[in-house]
Amino acid sequence: DIQMTQSPSVLSASVGDRVTLNCKASQNINKYLNWYQQKLGEAPKLLIYNTNNLQTGIPSRFSGSGSGTDYTLTISSLQPEDVATYFCFQHNSWPLTFGSGTKLEIK
Amino acid sequence: QVQLQQSGTELVKPASSVKISCKASGYTFTSNYMHWIRQQPGNGLEWIGWIYPGNGNTKYNQKFDGKATLTADKSSSTAYMQLSSLTSEDSAVYFCARGYYDGYYHYWYFDFWGPGTMVTVSS
Repeated sequence: DIQMTQSPSVLSASVGDRVTLNCKASQNINKYLNWYQQKLGEAPKLLIYNTNNLQTGIPSRFSGSGSGTDYTLTISSLQPEDVATYFCFQHNSWPLTFGSGTKLEIK
Repeated sequence: QVQLQQSGTELVKPASSVKISCKASGYTFTSNYMHWIRQQPGNGLEWIGWIYPGNGNTKYNQKFDGKATLTADKSSSTAYMQLSSLTSEDSAVYFCARGYYDGYYHYWYFDFWGPGTMVTVSS
C-alpha cells in the first residue's frame, strides 16, 4: 500500500497568513493526488483533484502543486472559515489511501 | 442537486452484523461509482471499496475483504454496506461518497459525500 505522510500534523497560523500543508507519498503517485477539507462533525469536502485542479465552487485562495512523491496545498490568505483538518488522498494505486491529516488552527 | 442520505446511528453487539444505507438523489445512480470510507474515532480516513450500481461490479480494499460487502438497489437508488463479525475496531463513522472516474486520464475524485453513519460496537 502507498503510505501518505502529512506534515505538520497541527498548524497554527494567523488570519491573512500564507499557509502551506505538505503531503509525501511512499512512492511516485504521478500527480494522482487530491485534497479534502473536513470541518468538525462534517463529511470531507473536495478542494483539489489531480494535484492542481480546483474543484468548482472552491475559493481561489486554495491551490495545489507537486509531482512525484511530494505535494503541497497552499492557502494564500488564511480565513477563519478555513479552520479544519486537511487530508491528502492518492488514487494512483490500489488500495486508494489517505494521509493522516493536518489540523489547521487560527492563532 | 446531488444528495446522499445515509441511515442513522447504529449500536450493535460484538460478533453481529450491520447493514447501512446510502440513498442517492439528483443524479443518475447507475452511471456513477459509489465509494465507502471509514473514519475511526480521532483517526484519519480509510478507503473500503466501491460499487458500480449499473452492473453491480465491486472492488475492495484487501483490508476489508470478508468484513465489508457492498450492494446496490437500482430501483431505490440506494447503496448498502454490510459489515460482519463486528468488533470494537469497527466502531467508526462510515461515509458513502460518489466517485467520479475519468476513463481517459484514469483519475478519481469523490465529489459528493453523505453525512456519515456512526456505528458503535459494544456489548
